Amino acid sequence: DVKVTQSSRYLVKRTGEKVFLECVQDMDHENMFWYRQDPGLGLRLIYFSYDVKMKEKGDIPEGYSVSREKKERFSLILESASTNQTSMYLCASSLFAGSGNTIYFGEGSWLTVV
Amino acid sequence: KQEVTQIPAALSVPEGENLVLNCSFTDSAIYNLQWFRQDPGKGLTSLLLIQSSQREQTSGRLNASLDKSSGRSTLYIAASQPGDSATYLCAVSPSPSGYNQGGKLIFGQGTELSVKP
Repeated sequence: DVKVTQSSRYLVKRTGEKVFLECVQDMDHENMFWYRQDPGLGLRLIYFSYDVKMKEKGDIPEGYSVSREKKERFSLILESASTNQTSMYLCASSLFAGSGNTIYFGEGSWLTVV
Repeated sequence: KQEVTQIPAALSVPEGENLVLNCSFTDSAIYNLQWFRQDPGKGLTSLLLIQSSQREQTSGRLNASLDKSSGRSTLYIAASQPGDSATYLCAVSPSPSGYNQGGKLIFGQGTELSVKP
């Protein structure tokens, strides 16, 4: 089975802190994604990556950056956390585009910024 | 801009009932459509994926249909069980415009299903 692992399930950070959310997948998938999920707003794409060191902005990239130094790992970085970034963050992966492959999600990381 | 809508937002049914969840999308130029299940506080689990050229997909008690021309999909759950209680989300993947669009999904808000024993 495909496994997408998000290392931190629950985090509490202070405003202004730099925050790293880590995600690892074990199926050699090319694509990896970061979404955030908020009540009333649903899931929104922050960033995605289709190869090592490659990234593209999603719908809400402001205040975030990403890093993909290895194929299996995709990190989301909040440069200076703010209270409006309190949310559930979901990492996902899938095989390369054009194949219409299923996307697999991690369990989510609940981030609270105080 | 593609928008995905799921109605109703919440649904409560007695155990054993057959039910249909609805999903509509505004732009018929999609690559595929997926249905997901999300349990409270957890990630999403893919249930069914329908390619744009397909009309339906089945897995066990689940059947998903796709009508691209009308911008609609339905998820049919047969003989519902309390264990089916969860939020069900549909998501569309836009038609590829470059070398990568796979997984760039646009989600509906979900339907929260409760199956009462």
